[in-house]
Amino acid sequence: DTGVSQDPRHKITKRGQNVTFRCDPISEHNRLYWYRQTLGQGPEFLTYFQNEAQLEKSRLLSDRFSAERPKGSFSTLEIQRTEQGDSAMYLCASSQDRAYQADTQYFGPGTRLTVL
Amino acid sequence: AQSVAQPEDQVNVAEGNPLTVKCTYSVSGNPYLFWYVQYPNRGLQFLLKYITGDNLVKGSYGFEAEFNKSQTSFHLKKPSALVSDSALYFCAVNGGSQGNLIFGKGTKLSVKP
Repeated sequence: DTGVSQDPRHKITKRGQNVTFRCDPISEHNRLYWYRQTLGQGPEFLTYFQNEAQLEKSRLLSDRFSAERPKGSFSTLEIQRTEQGDSAMYLCASSQDRAYQADTQYFGPGTRLTVL
Repeated sequence: AQSVAQPEDQVNVAEGNPLTVKCTYSVSGNPYLFWYVQYPNRGLQFLLKYITGDNLVKGSYGFEAEFNKSQTSFHLKKPSALVSDSALYFCAVNGGSQGNLIFGKGTKLSVKP
């Protein structure tokens, strides 16, 4: 069990550029979540995958955001035309699909995005 | 709507003293409650969870939490604080329609020698 990994750990970009983040979940975990955390706040849910299917998106996820999980393995989160308000820590979490709401979600180290 | 509240932005404790970090929740149905800890520039580490059964839940690093249904609380506790416990602590409820966690704003714990 190598844990959830995320890449890159830090990303600095200029406003208007596109960025892509990657998340590798724990290998046997079917569920994968993306959250966003801004300074002084708890993480907020963005989107969720069960295997390769994206089952829910938060209203926080504007049309500039897109996420994929091809073949139900790793996931990518892309932000197009970045804005300064996108600056945040982007967290990925994964869980097994055994007990639904009782499953523990394990988090990666996060990708810190700074938009200049 | 499901929610959690952490009424204290910061808790200060002397090393060796007991600590309590407070959390209250509002859910419809059965509550599934979690505590996570976050160190600077790191992701969240799972500490413990309440699903059902015994109201006192034991977790990692000597932490425990007490579930109180009548007070809708799930306070995190540790009998003897360590300086290394200094971090940001988040309470969460699994109340999203797809099993996503809903977090409180977090409580910064500072343990002084």
